[in-house]
Amino acid sequence: NAGVTQTPKFQVLKTGQSMTLQCAQDMNHEYMSWYRQDPGMGLRLIHYSVGAGITDQGEVPNGYNVSRSTTEDFPLRLLSAAPSQTSVYFCASSWGRGRETEAFFGQGTRLTVV
Amino acid sequence: GQQLNQSPQSMFIQEGEDVSMNCTSSSIFNTWLWYKQDPGEGPVLLIALYKAGELTSNGRLTAQFGITRKDSFLNISASIPSDVGIYFCAGRSWGKLQFGAGTQVVVTP
Repeated sequence: NAGVTQTPKFQVLKTGQSMTLQCAQDMNHEYMSWYRQDPGMGLRLIHYSVGAGITDQGEVPNGYNVSRSTTEDFPLRLLSAAPSQTSVYFCASSWGRGRETEAFFGQGTRLTVV
Repeated sequence: GQQLNQSPQSMFIQEGEDVSMNCTSSSIFNTWLWYKQDPGEGPVLLIALYKAGELTSNGRLTAQFGITRKDSFLNISASIPSDVGIYFCAGRSWGKLQFGAGTQVVVTP
């Protein structure tokens, strides 16, 4: 089992560029989510999904889009990158359904927007 | 939005000492979780608590879900060098997880 796999691990973007952060899990988890981590602020929820075809906004959704066409994949799209989106991004997954926990996190994508 | 306050922000302890940290919230949570994060890695789930008053242990770690459902604490007994890292609490309500800002633990020999 690979667990939760995030790609790329590092990325530098220019302001205004778009890109997609990939997240895949091989544990057949229903629940997947994206967080950003900034110094001194813990992790903040961007978007989450309770199953294929279902997504919802978290605490800081502006500037990001998600889709969930399969159980395994939950990509995060930055539409027009801004320096304020410089952060470390984590994808997480869990079983959902009553015992929801972000049981597994990926290793993170370190994004710098210049 | 909800505010989750985690304290202390950092602690420097000697090997063998016990460590205690806590999280408080202005709102009620249905689940409390504790994570550890090593540099360059994602958080790793240590303990999950699902019921008010619940006390759960995982090796040298013990965590409790406060009876008011607005707080939780984590204790680490007899610390060892590999306990170094950042510990996060997280509370869940209405399907969304909120994280504390973290407690940085440094263990000196």
